Amino acid sequence: DVKVTQSSRYLVKRTGEKVFLECVQDMDHENMFWYRQDPGLGLRLIYFSYDVKMKEKGDIPEGYSVSREKKERFSLILESASTNQTSMYLCASSSPGDLREHFGDGTRLSIL
Amino acid sequence: AQSVTQLGSHVSVSEGALVLLRCNYSSSVPPYLFWYVQYPNQGLQLLLKYTTGATLVKGINGFEAEFKKSETSFHLTKPSAHMSDAAEYFCAVRAGGSNYKLTFGKGTLLTVNP
Repeated sequence: DVKVTQSSRYLVKRTGEKVFLECVQDMDHENMFWYRQDPGLGLRLIYFSYDVKMKEKGDIPEGYSVSREKKERFSLILESASTNQTSMYLCASSSPGDLREHFGDGTRLSIL
Repeated sequence: AQSVTQLGSHVSVSEGALVLLRCNYSSSVPPYLFWYVQYPNQGLQLLLKYTTGATLVKGINGFEAEFKKSETSFHLTKPSAHMSDAAEYFCAVRAGGSNYKLTFGKGTLLTVNP
């Protein structure tokens, strides 16, 4: 079964810090995604990548960047964390022929 | 562009009762449609999906959904609710073809009362 692993379940950081969220998948999937999930807003796509070193902006990319140096790893970077980035962050992966996304368990990030 | 509307942010049913979670979508091209479930403190799991072919789709845990093009709907049902069905449910749409992105609804929290 596909496994998507997010490096931290809970993370507390301070305003202005540079924050890295890491995601690794073990199924050689081409596509990887970062979402944030907020109550009443559902899941919103931040960035996605369909190949190594390729990235595209999702619906809410402001304040975030991403890195994909290896196929299995997709990192989300908060350049200068702010309190409005306190949220649940979900990573997912898929292959183009599968049509479904496999999700990690999420990282609950608090910015103080 | 595509969008998803889930009617009702919170649905409460009794154990053994019918579960009906509503989802309407808009898409400029034939859509692929999905239902995901999220249990507390976990990521999302795929319940079922519609791509092409039979419009009544069966998923895991006794859930099914019917694609109705004329109504642009993809409602999720289960004949008899179980306590373990309590979770948040998300409907999602992807435009058919090369578009890789899913668009999610805002979710419906299902509560099952004993």
